[in-house]
Amino acid sequence: NAGVTQTPKFQVLKTGQSMTLQCAQDMNHNSMYWYRQDPGMGLRLIYYSASEGTTDKGEVPNGYNVSRLNKREFSLRLESAAPSQTSVYFCASGQGQTATNEKLFFGSGTQLSVL
Amino acid sequence: AQSVTQLGSHVSVSEGALVLLRCNYSSSVPPYLFWYVQYPNQGLQLLLKYTTGATLVKGINGFEAEFKKSETSFHLTKPSAHMSDAAEYFCAVSENNAGNMLTFGGGTRLMVKP
Repeated sequence: NAGVTQTPKFQVLKTGQSMTLQCAQDMNHNSMYWYRQDPGMGLRLIYYSASEGTTDKGEVPNGYNVSRLNKREFSLRLESAAPSQTSVYFCASGQGQTATNEKLFFGSGTQLSVL
Repeated sequence: AQSVTQLGSHVSVSEGALVLLRCNYSSSVPPYLFWYVQYPNQGLQLLLKYTTGATLVKGINGFEAEFKKSETSFHLTKPSAHMSDAAEYFCAVSENNAGNMLTFGGGTRLMVKP
């Protein structure tokens, strides 16, 4: 059982380049999330999708866009990468439509460096 | 607005010693509280959670946490540390009417000495 799969695991970009981080879950979960993790700051929510066909902004959405392609897949796009977006990105999914009282399942992360 | 403070970014204990990781939160409404663990090069895994009911919550791998409303705390403990407990631990809070805004603390890295 793969759980939550993120690709790529590592990526180096130059300022201004674009890229898409892919995330897929095989647990038939309704909600999916993108977080970024920075040293000493914990995880911060970028965007989330409570259910297929819906997306909403989280705490730090600027510079990002998302697509909930279907129930399984939730992608994160950086249109014009900036050094401030250097971070570790985690995708997560949950069975319900909210993260407030349920267990989230996390992928293993994407380490992104923007030069 | 909700927030979480984890005291101590690094905690070191000897194998077999008590583990105590501190978490204080602020919330304007009754909170839901979580502890997640992150092993090297992996995503986060849920250790335990408090929503309502009994204030002492038991989780996986022998960890437990107690919700103390008067102290706005949710400290994580384990009576006897094992080498395999070395990881980073995150406390998180969510207000029960806040939808998907799960707020994480900055994390505490636990080191276990042989």
